[in-house]
Amino acid sequence: DSGVTQTPKHLITATGQRVTLRCSPRSGDLSVYWYQQSLDQGLQFLIQYYNGEERAKGNILERFSAQQFPDLHSELNLSSLELGDSALYFCASSGGTGGNTEAFFGQGTRLTVV
Amino acid sequence: AQSVTQLGSHVSVSEGALVLLRCNYSSSVPPYLFWYVQYPNQGLQLLLKYTTGATLVKGINGFEAEFKKSETSFHLTKPSAHMSDAAEYFCAVRQGYTGNQFYFGTGTSLTVIP
Repeated sequence: DSGVTQTPKHLITATGQRVTLRCSPRSGDLSVYWYQQSLDQGLQFLIQYYNGEERAKGNILERFSAQQFPDLHSELNLSSLELGDSALYFCASSGGTGGNTEAFFGQGTRLTVV
Repeated sequence: AQSVTQLGSHVSVSEGALVLLRCNYSSSVPPYLFWYVQYPNQGLQLLLKYTTGATLVKGINGFEAEFKKSETSFHLTKPSAHMSDAAEYFCAVRQGYTGNQFYFGTGTSLTVIP
């Protein structure tokens, strides 16, 4: 158990819909990262938050947004969903800003868009 | 900019044979390096990491990796493959100075042949 909790584990929704994925980081970790993993694209970095503020942005579509709340949990919002958005979405957390700490990954949310 | 290259998206070894998964990185500053393993339908789990100090790093499940600055490499090895080692392996690099984003390679799928 990594200590990172993601809900829901599975999500099936229709094209055009909007969903929210939730992540609770490990206790005390200030950084939260979101990744998308699909068969054809591999592991893609989406966005990072540190203590409530956006820290780095990767290949995140404009239809996607995220935020980190004062209690440090984070949500990833995916809207106007397309079939190609079907993927595993991972959240990871790490402590502090130092580079020598690893990221701890949740079990992921499997999103299926039909 | 930083990047990670994993040579070989698929590697097959016989049970009991040496496992060698290659990782080369580019970084303008001293990097922190990580190897993660992902079993089917699970999140990524840390195998080992290099931050400072000894360049030969030992991890879980008998894996080890050696940081070679002159070759910008961080190859993962295990002397004797076990069936349970079949998984996806990811190399990652992170800077400690200008930001703390993780950069992941595209992954190597390891198959162990009985």
